[in-house]
Amino acid sequence: NAGVTQTPKFRILKIGQSMTLQCTQDMNHNYMYWYRQDPGMGLKLIYYSVGAGITDKGEVPNGYNVSRSTTEDFPLRLELAAPSQTSVYFCASSYSDDRDREKLFFGSGTQLSVL
Amino acid sequence: GENVEQHPSTLSVQEGDSAVIKCTYSDSASNYFPWYKQELGKGPQLIIDIRSNVGEKKDQRIAVTLNKTAKHFSLHITETQPEDSAVYFCAASKNFNKFYFGSGTKLNVKP
Repeated sequence: NAGVTQTPKFRILKIGQSMTLQCTQDMNHNYMYWYRQDPGMGLKLIYYSVGAGITDKGEVPNGYNVSRSTTEDFPLRLELAAPSQTSVYFCASSYSDDRDREKLFFGSGTQLSVL
Repeated sequence: GENVEQHPSTLSVQEGDSAVIKCTYSDSASNYFPWYKQELGKGPQLIIDIRSNVGEKKDQRIAVTLNKTAKHFSLHITETQPEDSAVYFCAASKNFNKFYFGSGTKLNVKP
């Protein structure tokens, strides 16, 4: 059981480049999330999705885009990379039922540097 | 919005001692308080959680306490072991899709 899988693990981008961070889960979770983790800070929510075709903004959505065409996949797109987007990015998912939807399952992260 | 503060930022204990990490929150409507453990190179993993209708919850060597009046909650680890060494995050939420995380505590358990 793979859980939540993120690729790539590491990436260096030049300012202005674009890239897509991939996230896939095999637990049939409806809810999926993207967080970023800056050094010495807690995780901040970028975008989330409650199901295929439905996405919504979190705390820090500027500079990012997402799509959710399938239950399994939730890619995060950076269009014009900026140094402020240097961070560790985590994808997460959770169960759909009311009791357990708050319990997040995280991937192992993508460390992104924008130079 | 919600503001979660976590202390201390680093904590070093001897194996077998207890460790306590404290968090405060600002929004009295928050009703769910999870704790996550992040090992090096891995994503955070839920270790214990508590809801606002409960004052304390235990799971083997780990316990969480909640004081709603004072708006703070704490993680207690007893009989610490080297494998407890990790970064621990607290969080607060009133909606399943919005979690506010503390800044993390790096726990080092010395053998």
